[in-house]
Amino acid sequence: LAKTTQPISMDSYEGQEVNITCSHNNIATNDYITWYQQFPSQGPRFIIQGYKTKVTNEVASLFIPADRKSSTLSLPRVSLSDTAVYYCLVGETAGNKLTFGGGTRVLVKP
Amino acid sequence: DTGVSQDPRHKITKRGQNVTFRCDPISEHNRLYWYRQTLGQGPEFLTYFQNEAQLEKSRLLSDRFSAERPKGSFSTLEIQRTEQGDSAMYLCASSAGQPNQPQHFGDGTRLSIL
Repeated sequence: LAKTTQPISMDSYEGQEVNITCSHNNIATNDYITWYQQFPSQGPRFIIQGYKTKVTNEVASLFIPADRKSSTLSLPRVSLSDTAVYYCLVGETAGNKLTFGGGTRVLVKP
Repeated sequence: DTGVSQDPRHKITKRGQNVTFRCDPISEHNRLYWYRQTLGQGPEFLTYFQNEAQLEKSRLLSDRFSAERPKGSFSTLEIQRTEQGDSAMYLCASSAGQPNQPQHFGDGTRLSIL
């Protein structure tokens, strides 16, 4: 699976937009980009997945440039409860093991 | 609640004891995965099943570890002769197996070895 690189941590304030960029230079043609959120003592929670351009759901948006070598998860108007670790994964998620990196620890401050 | 369910949530045992964890996946999901997560790290893949067949095992899964999914529904993960290094969160996930359907995780079993 393609290796990903993302910031170790980010701080933000309530009401702001948080953008987390993930680099995946070796992404393969069949790979999708998937983001998970994890709170302490809980399992990772699926946030969003995309292949190219832009994907939006009720929680986040995912921006993927044409070369697909990076992607940006956008969390609009974060609240304190968005404090968590966010993982970027790249690969064929169907039936395949997921390879997690260290994730990005997002701290939302009042 | 129709999510992935894991039992127990916490397990404390003495070194050398055997432990068994259970995972109940989302009912229509035919793929089931086990991961291990230590403090401050992302989850690491251990093994996965499609229905009752165990299709892949990580090198992390030593011979003290065994996983089963006898009827293609729930799964168990057993660790024999536990060691200090086995202390971790053991996560189960399931997916529908359709192309690029995401894996959905349970909240894990936290194992502490005394």
